[in-house]
Amino acid sequence: QVQLVQSGAEVKKPGTSVKVSCEASGYIFTNYYVHWVRQAPGQGLEWMAMINPSGGSTTYAQHMQGRVTVTRDTSTSTVYMELRSLRSEDTAVYYCVREREAVIVAPNSGVDYWGQGTLVTVSS
Amino acid sequence: QSALTQPPSVSGAPGQRVTISCTGSSSNFGAGWNVHWYQQFPGTAPKLLIFLDSNRPSGVPDRFSGSKSGTSASLAITGLQAEDEADYYCQSFDFSLGGYAFGTGTKVTVL
Repeated sequence: QVQLVQSGAEVKKPGTSVKVSCEASGYIFTNYYVHWVRQAPGQGLEWMAMINPSGGSTTYAQHMQGRVTVTRDTSTSTVYMELRSLRSEDTAVYYCVREREAVIVAPNSGVDYWGQGTLVTVSS
Repeated sequence: QSALTQPPSVSGAPGQRVTISCTGSSSNFGAGWNVHWYQQFPGTAPKLLIFLDSNRPSGVPDRFSGSKSGTSASLAITGLQAEDEADYYCQSFDFSLGGYAFGTGTKVTVL
């Protein structure tokens, strides 16, 4: 079965960086886009970025560009999200999610599998 | 400001029909991009409820239905049940943002 397993909760100080991992299993890793979505406490969902695990190409939300980097390791079927220059507003649960249809199909098919979420707390 | 706007809350009595609107623009729905809907319970990850405007994944009850027309989309819940009390989000692609976008979210309350 498809699983996305994320790394554990993090507590970071403002100005530092965090790197969250997402290990995929149960499907062909390079065939499906993986996205990062975050949710601040009591707030809505916010799309951050996506990666094509096959070639490694990425797309970032405009307001996140310059602060976030998404990479992948095909040997371990793992996607990483690094967020830099952390501020208190970055406190959120971060989810990795998988696109429903394979990369070969047009994007925006919906996302069907979600990781368990990683709470990142930014506090001095 | 979000590219997709939803009402903050909707409510209905058990058995009633409620609809949740998702207002977009010419850079998402109006450009032909599909809408998807997610259901989220407190403390849990969202779940895909409707994909490609009106399709239900296996296991989603048929009382949930979706539609899209022009620059707007909607999710309807017929025969509202207590277990439907949750947050609902629409999602699409927005070319002016250069990526995906989620709606502002709607809390459904069963009276």
